[in-house]
Amino acid sequence: DQQVKQNSPSLSVQEGRISILNCDYTNSMFDYFLWYKKYPAEGPTFLISISSIKDKNEDGRFTVFLNKSAKHLSLHIVPSQPGDSAVYFCAASVAAGNKLTFGGGTRVLVKP
Amino acid sequence: GAVVSQHPSWVICKSGTSVKIECRSLDFQATTMFWYRQFPKQSLMLMATSNEGSKATYEQGVEKDKFLINHASLTLSTLTVTSAHPEDSSFYICSAGSLKWTGNLQPQHFGDGTRLSIL
Repeated sequence: DQQVKQNSPSLSVQEGRISILNCDYTNSMFDYFLWYKKYPAEGPTFLISISSIKDKNEDGRFTVFLNKSAKHLSLHIVPSQPGDSAVYFCAASVAAGNKLTFGGGTRVLVKP
Repeated sequence: GAVVSQHPSWVICKSGTSVKIECRSLDFQATTMFWYRQFPKQSLMLMATSNEGSKATYEQGVEKDKFLINHASLTLSTLTVTSAHPEDSSFYICSAGSLKWTGNLQPQHFGDGTRLSIL
């Protein structure tokens, strides 16, 4: 049972445009959500997070939106840059346990 | 930012040997370290959670006698794959978190992973 799902395995976007990555979850106990970026043969790099008491968090070009009622979060990257090309994972945790449950990842390709 | 070092980055060995992977937090004390496994084109799957000085907690389906985890200090955790077989070939990644940051273990910071190939 996949508790965190990223339904789009890949996304292609033109440089300068917005990249929107989506993530859905089923466990209502999740209260902390994170986005990681990963290159092949490397560990994930933390990008941005959001707690369930907020619906938006922004850090530079990255903005995460959380819709608790829909159990949905999204990551917006604007403007997209070729260096953003990577696999993006969303992850969720329950505060008490703190272990992360990852989605399946979305491969983003930013075309120059 | 926090740095987590994982070693070795790549190992090839014969079936039946044991392989030890180290995970070090370089600039902070990691109260908890996590070990993940990733198969090609799949997501990261948590194998176990280890807290310094106590036994690791394994996820369902992960053999604790096969994957030995030691978290002897606040900066070092090791994963030993015992009697490795070809099906154990995978990408193993550790992460570290500290309650001292925010009272929450997040965000976890990850090592660069170890690619294990068993012949």
